[in-house]
Amino acid sequence: GAVVSQHPSWVICKSGTSVKIECRSLDFQATTMFWYRQFPKQSLMLMATSNEGSKATYEQGVEKDKFLINHASLTLSTLTVTSAHPEDSSFYICSARIGGAGDTQYFGPGTRLTVL
Amino acid sequence: GENVEQHPSTLSVQEGDSAVIKCTYSDSASNYFPWYKQELGKRPQLIIDIRSNVGEKKDQRIAVTLNKTAKHFSLHITETQPEDSAVYFCAASKGAGKSTFGDGTTLTVKP
Repeated sequence: GAVVSQHPSWVICKSGTSVKIECRSLDFQATTMFWYRQFPKQSLMLMATSNEGSKATYEQGVEKDKFLINHASLTLSTLTVTSAHPEDSSFYICSARIGGAGDTQYFGPGTRLTVL
Repeated sequence: GENVEQHPSTLSVQEGDSAVIKCTYSDSASNYFPWYKQELGKRPQLIIDIRSNVGEKKDQRIAVTLNKTAKHFSLHITETQPEDSAVYFCAASKGAGKSTFGDGTTLTVKP
């Protein structure tokens, strides 16, 4: 149980385009999902916390108009990188927490974004 | 906010030896401390966790200890195997809140 999927697993896009990444909890309901960014050989940097039915909470320094997060249902959260630039190239990972079941986070497989 | 420091950043051991990774945290209200293993290009996988009401937890070759007074916790891997080679992250969180991650430790187990 507690499987989280992400789609796509990798994407290459041109500078200036927008990219949408989906994060789904497959066998449980996730009231909270987290979006992370990870650079090579570095730690997970929390970008935002996504709560179902409400606005996402962004970490300091993360542009909310650049990284749009929508958590429309208990099993789906999306991250849209708007007007992507090469510096947005990174590994984006989501995680989900089972509602009311404590603190354990289950991670998605990640999405490798490359902006040309 | 919470600050988590993790040491060492790299660790190389011989197969069969033990490996120890240490983390310190700053917020005394943190009460949940998971450890994740991440292989190259893959997702972090929870390997063990401990809550603040417990001092030690063990699962086969893996154990975690917590010292609330000193605000540090450690991961112990015994009888290491080459497949233990990966990046290990510690984290700290409060209740149902977000987790703060350490910078990671790259463990290499030499056969």
